[in-house]
Amino acid sequence: AQSVTQPDIHITVSEGASLELRCNYSYGATPYLFWYVQSPGQGLQLLLKYFSGDTLVQGIKGFEAEFKRSQSSFNLRKPSVHWSDAAEYFCAVGAEGGSYIPTFGRGTSLIVHP
Amino acid sequence: DAGITQSPRHKVTETGTPVTLRCHQTENHRYMYWYRQDPGHGLRLIHYSYGVKDTDKGEVSDGYSVSRSKTEDFLLTLESATSSQTSVYFCASRSFDTEAFFGQGTRLTVV
Repeated sequence: AQSVTQPDIHITVSEGASLELRCNYSYGATPYLFWYVQSPGQGLQLLLKYFSGDTLVQGIKGFEAEFKRSQSSFNLRKPSVHWSDAAEYFCAVGAEGGSYIPTFGRGTSLIVHP
Repeated sequence: DAGITQSPRHKVTETGTPVTLRCHQTENHRYMYWYRQDPGHGLRLIHYSYGVKDTDKGEVSDGYSVSRSKTEDFLLTLESATSSQTSVYFCASRSFDTEAFFGQGTRLTVV
C-alpha cells in the first residue's frame, strides 16, 4: 500500500527566507507525486506534479520539487517566501498508471513572519 | 479551474439523521473521490468511483455510502449521522492520467 509522510506539522519562516517542506513516500515502484496547497476555507489547489521525466519539477507561484528515488522523497522548495504563501501544504502519492488513487499526507502548516 | 461544485457548503444536522452531500462536475471526469479532512489526519479517502455505477471503499468508509448514477454526480450519504462524522468533506475528480481537482468542501457539523 502506498503512504505519505510529512514529518513537519508546522513550519515557521520569515518573509523573504527560503523554504523546504519535506515529503517521504512509500511505494514499491515509480509513483505519481503531487503537492497541493490549501488556503483557509478553500479547496486544494495543485502546485506541481511529477509523473515521469525530469526529476526537478517546476510549479506555480515559484515553487519547485525534486523527486529523489533513492531517498523516496519529493521535497517542495521556494527560494523566497511571501506572506501570501502562508497556508496548508499537502503532499500526495499515486500508483503509476491512469487509475491511481491519490493518497495524502497529514499536511504541513506554513506560517510566515513579516 | 475545473468545474467541481459541492453542495451544501455548510450543514448542521442532528445525530441519527441521514445526510446526503452532492458533488457535481462538468469536466466529464471518469474518476471521483470523497475525502474527509480532520485536524492531524490530513485527507482520508472515504469512497471513490471509477465510472458510472462503479464505486469502491476507501480507508474510512464505515457509516458512509455513495452512489454514481451519472458521470457528473457523485453522492455521499451518511446513513445515520454521528458526532464522529463532524468534518470537512472534499470531493475530487480527474481524468485518466491527470491530477485530481478539488471542490470547495462541505463543512458538516453533527450535533
